[in-house]
Order: sequence, then structure tokens, then C-alpha cells
Amino acid sequence: GAGVSQSPSNKVTEKGKDVELRCDPISGHTALYWYRQRLGQGLEFLIYFQGNSAPDKSGLPSDRFSAERTGESVSTLTIQRTQQEDSAVYLCASSLALAVQETQYFGPGTRLLVL
Amino acid sequence: GNSVTQMEGPVTLSEEAFLTINCTYTATGYPSLFWYVQYPGEGLQLLLKATKADDKGSNKGFEATYRKETTSFHLEKGSVQVSDSAVYFCALTGNQFYFGTGTSLTVIP
Repeated sequence: GAGVSQSPSNKVTEKGKDVELRCDPISGHTALYWYRQRLGQGLEFLIYFQGNSAPDKSGLPSDRFSAERTGESVSTLTIQRTQQEDSAVYLCASSLALAVQETQYFGPGTRLLVL
Repeated sequence: GNSVTQMEGPVTLSEEAFLTINCTYTATGYPSLFWYVQYPGEGLQLLLKATKADDKGSNKGFEATYRKETTSFHLEKGSVQVSDSAVYFCALTGNQFYFGTGTSLTVIP
């Protein structure tokens, strides 16, 4: 596709339910990133994937959060037993490679509201 | 560890005014520095970047210089337009990825 796409664009869930967020990166981009943006705050790095290497999970806030990526394609971010503090916009980005100088291309985000 | 500190907003300017949005960082190694912009209703997109000390990034009349001596990457534009109204994020990439809190800019005619 032309850009990074994310689905759903909005998700409302009840506390305690599991949610799954999807990201389709730009074709050919080997690196993929997930961020969380809480209201009024900056982007908080969660996890990145680079090719077939083990992902860097150091930013995941708790063991309720997990993410997978199949090869260099789609990624899913799963939040189990959601809590109200998980309410945020979840942003996905991809880049041609994992290098400090690479530009990240962002999707439109998934706005999650946990009631 | 690495971090980015960005000027608080919101900022409101009249058209053709001079803009500065401050960004300072702490980092080890040789990070790259970025300004991303989010226009209303759109996703984040790259505005400009600099990958080493003393580099100047520029785009759409905006400039920022990677200054190692002051650990800064301030965003400037000499004459803002209404279409520049957006949220601006300073970012640093090194061993991980750090974004500022964003500065909302509104330009009024």
C-alpha cells in the first residue's frame, strides 16, 4: 500500500477484555515500531521489530502487552485484561531499515478507549 | 539514558511571525534528531532531520540545527502561515526512540 495502515481506527472495550490492534507497514520496510500516546503526552515507545530478529520489547509497560510480526508484514499488538489506563492512541510506524538515521512513517493510529 | 525535552505549548502566532520551538536532548553515542509534524486530522509525518552534529535540516521554510555543544535542535521558521498550524514533535533515535510531548501551534490570519 501507499502508507502504513492501522485497524481498527477506533476501539471501545470494557475493562478486563482483550483487544488486538493491527498494523500493515509499507511494503519493503523491514523495521516496524509501536508507540502509545496518552492524552496530552508524547509518544511512548513500546516495541520494535527488525526483519526476522528478536523484537526489542523493552518498552512494553506490562506483561499484559504483547506483539507479533510475521516476517516483514503485518503486526498485531495485543493487550490482555485491559485497564482504564490503557486508553490511548496506539501508533504504528515502519522504516526501510532499523538505523538511527531512518525516517519512520506513521499510520493514522488506533484510538482505544477502555470503559 | 536518552531523553528529549520539548517546549510546552500551545503556541499562538499571527501570520508572518517568527517561530521558535525549543528542543533539548540528552543522549549517549551518536543519535539522529528529527522534527515530526501532525496536521489536523492527519498522521505524524517527517518535517526534517539531522543525522550528525552541525547538520542543518530544512523543509517547507523550517530549519533546525543539530547542536552538540548545547544539546539542542530548536525548530525555527522566519514567517509562519496559517497552514503551519499543527502539532510538532521533536524526536531522537539512538539505541531507542524518544519523542517529545508535542507543541501545538496555531497561526491566526
